Amino acid sequence: ETGVTQSPTHLIKTRGQQVTLRCSSQSGHNTVSWYQQALGQGPQFIFQYYREEENGRGNFPPRFSGLQFPNYSSELNVNALELDDSALYLCASSLYLAGGLVDQYFGAGTRLSVL
Amino acid sequence: AQSVTQLDSQVPVFEEAPVELRCNYSSSVSVYLFWYVQYPNQGLQLLLKYLSGSTLVKGINGFEAEFNKSQTSFHLRKPSVHISDTAEYFCAVTSTGGGNKLTFGTGTQLKVEL
Repeated sequence: ETGVTQSPTHLIKTRGQQVTLRCSSQSGHNTVSWYQQALGQGPQFIFQYYREEENGRGNFPPRFSGLQFPNYSSELNVNALELDDSALYLCASSLYLAGGLVDQYFGAGTRLSVL
Repeated sequence: AQSVTQLDSQVPVFEEAPVELRCNYSSSVSVYLFWYVQYPNQGLQLLLKYLSGSTLVKGINGFEAEFNKSQTSFHLRKPSVHISDTAEYFCAVTSTGGGNKLTFGTGTQLKVEL
């Protein structure tokens, strides 16, 4: 049990719709990263938020956006869904300390199916 | 930018036999290296990590990995596997200034058989 919870666990949407995925970070963690894991692939970094500001982005289009709230929970929003957006979306939280790399803890993920 | 190659998509092995899962990486800067395990319908769990120092790293569940800078490899080993080790294993890398932004390999499915 990592203390990172994601909701919902499963979601079915149709092409063109919008979706919001949620992540509750482990208590005390100030950094959250989101990853997309397509079937049979490794996770791919989407973006990271640190203290409510975006702190790095992977090779994903602007229709992928995020938010981090003062309580360090987070949302991933995807607009204009495409079939290729079908994947497991993983959230990972960590406590960033200046000059240090600390472990990040992953949630169980949200499986999104786009029809 | 970094990349990770896991050449073996599947590794079948009998229970109590040793196993090695291979990982090679590419990077123009110094890196940290990780191995994660993913059980069905679960998120990723950190097995072990290499940050600096000794090139032989020990992790949870009896796993260990050796960092080889000249061969840019970080292979995962276990001397005797158990049925419960059946899972997907991912090697990952981040630059030392990368702030936890991980680049993953495509994974190796370890299947332990009786």
